[in-house]
Amino acid sequence: DTAVSQTPKYLVTQMGNDKSIKCEQNLGHDTMYWYKQDSKKFLKIMFSYNNKELIINETVPNRFSPKSPDKAHLNLHINSLELGDSAVYFCASSPGQGAMLAEAFFGQGTRLTVV
Amino acid sequence: AQKITQTQPGMFVQEKEAVTLDCTYDTSDPSYGLFWYKQPSSGEMIFLIYQGSYDQQNATEGRYSLNFQKARKSANLVISASQLGDSAMYFCAMREGWGGGNKLTFGTGTQLKVEL
Repeated sequence: DTAVSQTPKYLVTQMGNDKSIKCEQNLGHDTMYWYKQDSKKFLKIMFSYNNKELIINETVPNRFSPKSPDKAHLNLHINSLELGDSAVYFCASSPGQGAMLAEAFFGQGTRLTVV
Repeated sequence: AQKITQTQPGMFVQEKEAVTLDCTYDTSDPSYGLFWYKQPSSGEMIFLIYQGSYDQQNATEGRYSLNFQKARKSANLVISASQLGDSAMYFCAMREGWGGGNKLTFGTGTQLKVEL
């Protein structure tokens, strides 16, 4: 049973379109994240939610809107896609605030290509 | 300033040899955790090992060990008896105490290639 699953795995879309990436975790974790991995493999935090509440928003354009309907789900909606949004987007989860030594579990990533 | 620095963009090692991947970190928080992840060419992020700032002993996990030198703020990953399957990108990451928002901050990674 997959711990953190995100869909789709691949997404190819045209500039200007709106798309969503879904993420679900079955680990009972309180904290979920979105990371962006660029073409140089650098991983940067975008958002973090704890129990459905936004706790980190790292200067991400407001075309990106995360939504957490419950603590097991964190979806990412992107409006008006641009070429520079092409990247691999990772969803991750960890137990929550205070569990500093707990590793984050990652989904398999969504490779977004904007053409 | 970079929170996590990995100065080796690429490393080569012969099969069955040991290899050390460097990681230095910067924090003023007394409570933090240090993590290593492996990303093979298939793209998934695989957790390898962690070290807490208050841990007295270096962490070990099978062929992986973490050489933690707190005064030097370094947390190098040592892989013993390298295997071809160890060829991957390796990331060092840090989670800071209460002020970090629980996020993991990653270094730029080291691409390791294991050769016959």
